[in-house]
Amino acid sequence: QITLKESGPTLVKPTQTLTLTCTFSGFSLSTSGVGVGWIRQPPGKALEWLALIYWDDDKRYSPSLKSRLTITKDTSKNQVVLTMTNMDPVDTATYYCAHCEVDTSVARPFDYWGHGTLVTVSS
Amino acid sequence: QTVVTQEPSLTVSPGGTVSLTCASSTGAVTSGYYPNWFQQKPGQAPRALIYSTSNRHSWTPARFSGSLLGGKAALTLSGVQPEDEAEYYCLLYYGGAWVFGGGTKLTVL
Repeated sequence: QITLKESGPTLVKPTQTLTLTCTFSGFSLSTSGVGVGWIRQPPGKALEWLALIYWDDDKRYSPSLKSRLTITKDTSKNQVVLTMTNMDPVDTATYYCAHCEVDTSVARPFDYWGHGTLVTVSS
Repeated sequence: QTVVTQEPSLTVSPGGTVSLTCASSTGAVTSGYYPNWFQQKPGQAPRALIYSTSNRHSWTPARFSGSLLGGKAALTLSGVQPEDEAEYYCLLYYGGAWVFGGGTKLTVL
């Protein structure tokens, strides 16, 4: 059974750096084809993909946010960490992490999701 | 900047059939974009429905089907149930990056 859970601060101040942790179970990030991604959703708005890290440490970022994002993994702890610098009130959103699996012909991105964590950016 | 476009809203009667579409600002959507579809109900995390154009997840009801239609990805719901009222998002792959559409609010009325 695959589960993921996001954790981190619920409130950050403008210009601060946000650090979120995704702790997962039911799969290993050392298994070929497996990845963990981050997606966010501002209140009442659409989903936005942020970043993805694969089993081989390949990292992918949203082009529009690439300069502000860093994604890392700790395979031994079953955790993936996302940092976002220079936070702004427009970054207020629910942040989700999700499991991803790819092979040569099929991609199953974000088939399992965490419940999400609401992060508010305000002074 | 790549934009993925969906119908903002659609209405369907219970038992009816409806198709939601997903278009790319870069041109026709093909299987190489690995179209995915997600359902989200208020207060809940999204739920994956369809991956790689037309493949259902093990938990996806058979009334949901995915296809390519007229240069777009499409999600068709046949025999719509009241519980299908939700927001639906498509997701496309652009050579390493993923982009969500703006979502379609489906009303069952």
